[in-house]
Amino acid sequence: GENVEQHPSTLSVQEGDSAVIKCTYSDSASNYFPWYKQELGKRPQLIIDIRSNVGEKKDQRIAVTLNKTAKHFSLHITETQPEDSAVYFCAASINAGGTSYGKLTFGQGTILTVHP
Amino acid sequence: KAGVTQTPRYLIKTRGQQVTLSCSPISGHRSVSWYQQTPGQGLQFLFEYFSETQRNKGNFPGRFSGRQFSNSRSEMNVSTLELGDSALYLCASSRGQGRGTQYFGPGTRLLVL
Repeated sequence: GENVEQHPSTLSVQEGDSAVIKCTYSDSASNYFPWYKQELGKRPQLIIDIRSNVGEKKDQRIAVTLNKTAKHFSLHITETQPEDSAVYFCAASINAGGTSYGKLTFGQGTILTVHP
Repeated sequence: KAGVTQTPRYLIKTRGQQVTLSCSPISGHRSVSWYQQTPGQGLQFLFEYFSETQRNKGNFPGRFSGRQFSNSRSEMNVSTLELGDSALYLCASSRGQGRGTQYFGPGTRLLVL
């Protein structure tokens, strides 16, 4: 089955710096890659996602890049703020045309701390 | 639109008991997936239901089961509870049919004593 590796497990940055979290996946059939942010005691919240027909996607300070050949994808957060502090999870799944396979395989998570 | 809701939010059980957790998806969503979150194992997929049918199952023992009703609400059941079943159980809903964005509920925190 699919395996997703996520690095680093912890990341500490100063406010205003950039943060990068990287994930690799094993199943070349995976074609949907969401990123979730989970604050302490709260539910995971989708922050950005990318499908395999796209190499990069941006949403304000957040961007995700995908390299299908190398089977890795990355989350980039620019101009970090203290409120970005949370656990970030990458995930992979297969979404086939006409049918959604709702099985997300998650990375182990990255604890991001942004120091004021 | 109301988000995904889960009941109960907290549960304390003893070993050997069974428990049933409930999940109500976002209106119009027909797919419900369940995940177990623990500090050691992270987020692990339990199973997915779409139109009352189980479509996928993770690597969990048969003590873990689920079902989905015609209104897309879902329940999961854990029988013969073990200490290691203590976890946050999250459900997530999506539209299904190729539209795979999953939105999570707040979770049910289960403590097994």
